[in-house]
Amino acid sequence: NAGVTQTPKFQVLKTGQSMTLQCAQDMNHNSMYWYRQDPGMGLRLIYYSASEGTTDKGEVPNGYNVSRLNKREFSLRLESAAPSQTSVYFCASTGTNSNQPQHFGDGTRLSIL
Amino acid sequence: QKEVEQNSGPLSVPEGAIASLNCTYSDRGSQSFFWYRQYSGKSPELIMFIYSNGDKEDGRFTAQLNKASQYVSLLIRDSQPSDSATYLCAVMGSGNTGKLIFGQGTTLQVKP
Repeated sequence: NAGVTQTPKFQVLKTGQSMTLQCAQDMNHNSMYWYRQDPGMGLRLIYYSASEGTTDKGEVPNGYNVSRLNKREFSLRLESAAPSQTSVYFCASTGTNSNQPQHFGDGTRLSIL
Repeated sequence: QKEVEQNSGPLSVPEGAIASLNCTYSDRGSQSFFWYRQYSGKSPELIMFIYSNGDKEDGRFTAQLNKASQYVSLLIRDSQPSDSATYLCAVMGSGNTGKLIFGQGTTLQVKP
């Protein structure tokens, strides 16, 4: 039972490069989320998708785009990476009732030089 | 004022003691409250959730919610060194948006 799977686990980019972080869940969840975690900052919501075909901004959306490819997959794209985007990125999902707990992937550790 | 506030710690307790972790929130309409444990370099792991005022117990863990005071806490009884981690309080805002607001986390150290 894989749960929430994120790829890659680690990535180093140069400033200005682009990349896409992938997330897939096998729990038939409707809602999916992207967070970033910086030291001492807790987790901050970047974007979320309440259901297939919908996306909405969270607390820190600038510099990111997302795609809800289907019910299973929710990707996060950095079009032009900046050092301020160096962080740990977590994807999460939750079921039909959005008040239910969110389940997290293992994270992607991203460094931008 | 931060929407969800926790003391960053570290909170240090001896093995076998009760650890008390606290969290306050600003959105009076919040309905759902979660405690996650995060070991260093790992992802958050759900340990408790609570929706109603009062206490909810699960093994050594008790979550307490007081909506009038906008306060939620986590008690860990018989603390073990393996409980040493960062504990994140998360609050679901009003409006059923599904958005979780996290506190910055409290680091717990349980000393043998």
